[in-house]
Amino acid sequence: ETGVTQTPRHLVMGMTNKKSLKCEQHLGHNAMYWYKQSAKKPLELMFVYSLEERVENNSVPSRFSPECPNSSHLFLHLHTLQPEDSALYLCASSLLLAGVNEQFFGPGTRLTVL
Amino acid sequence: AQTVTQSQPEMSVQEAETVTLSCTYDTSESDYYLFWYKQPPSRQMILVIRQEAYKQQNATENRFSVNFQKAAKSFSLKISDSQLGDAAMYFCAYRSEISQGGSEKLVFGKGTKLTVNP
Repeated sequence: ETGVTQTPRHLVMGMTNKKSLKCEQHLGHNAMYWYKQSAKKPLELMFVYSLEERVENNSVPSRFSPECPNSSHLFLHLHTLQPEDSALYLCASSLLLAGVNEQFFGPGTRLTVL
Repeated sequence: AQTVTQSQPEMSVQEAETVTLSCTYDTSESDYYLFWYKQPPSRQMILVIRQEAYKQQNATENRFSVNFQKAAKSFSLKISDSQLGDAAMYFCAYRSEISQGGSEKLVFGKGTKLTVNP
């Protein structure tokens, strides 16, 4: 596997389910990100793990819970989601150095909440 | 807070022709980075081109070039000799620092859907 991979690619879940999204990067990067992409809206950053700190968007509901056990793996734990949480969830990674730090994106998980 | 505006929800171009996608942004910073990303249908988002604000020279990557107007806070993307494979959503993005620890995020526009007609 190369680049940034995400599993599953598609997920349908009920509002009472608990599921997790997984992201893995094979690029030696030291920062990982979760973005939410909804129709007709700009991509929105949800969480960042970088340089041993976690930064979160304060508007993200607590039913989304991130986990980053090491620099190569990132999870997004989901529980009691709402239909409006249906979206494409994108993972990205980058190498933080002085200068420009390009973010590399995974293919996304298409989430549908029934 | 930085904002990015793409005023063209959709654009179309004939194959082999040139098209320009618009992007404006708002920031109080003097040094920053701007990006154009491409997201083909059902495929991964990839970087097309980037521009460092302190560089006056416009970035160019093969058929893709930008017109960076710092004073006007404008960052348009020009695609020359358009090809069918250029059809995609194009997102303009601004890199923003979000913590004193150095963490960053990209602030995206809503995107422009480009159709290439044969």
